[in-house]
Amino acid sequence: QKEVEQNSGPLSVPEGAIASLNCTYSDRGSQSFFWYRQYSGKSPELIMSIYSNGDKEDGRFTAQLNKASQYVSLLIRDSQPSDSATYLCAVIGGTTDSWGKLQFGAGTQVVVTP
Amino acid sequence: EAQVTQNPRYLITVTGKKLTVTCSQNMNHEYMSWYRQDPGLGLRQIYYSMNVEVTDKGDVPEGYKVSRKEKRNFPLILESPSPNQTSLYFCASSLVQGAGKNGYTFGSGTRLTVV
Repeated sequence: QKEVEQNSGPLSVPEGAIASLNCTYSDRGSQSFFWYRQYSGKSPELIMSIYSNGDKEDGRFTAQLNKASQYVSLLIRDSQPSDSATYLCAVIGGTTDSWGKLQFGAGTQVVVTP
Repeated sequence: EAQVTQNPRYLITVTGKKLTVTCSQNMNHEYMSWYRQDPGLGLRQIYYSMNVEVTDKGDVPEGYKVSRKEKRNFPLILESPSPNQTSLYFCASSLVQGAGKNGYTFGSGTRLTVV
């Protein structure tokens, strides 16, 4: 079982709609969670971080965390063509072996269609 | 400008020819790391360093070496590259181990092809 799992997509979203991305993780002791956006051939860039259960909003992005279910999600409201990218979920583990190590999911490709 | 600088951006080499990919950050970050990215596998950590002269293996360290003689530099060394090391490589840094609220800052990437 992969430590961080995401649906690979592609997730096709009409312009102006809400894109919903999901991520599950296996390390129950994980404390820090991140969403990165990566355009094709470019480096990942951080768009959201979340540490506590609940929702965190930043502009058109909302991250949701449920530690009991080991689940973190990202909502993109009013999706724009410029949001077309691969979104990487990343988790910092809580075990002795994984502490401090940022583990990435394989990413979900989002395609926003005009 | 705060950044992580990797060189070269593109590299084609032959099997067995030693190469070094350089990484430098100007943010006084303690923590630096190397990742490789392959289709369907995501980003996998090769090596990381918590500070000068402190390095440790990540998930896929075989065939790679690193050193951290200065805080700002963290080169990745392939002593004898093989075709299965063809990949997109990223260097990343953060202020402290555990990434903190700002996560990691990534370099622009190095696309390596070994023939």
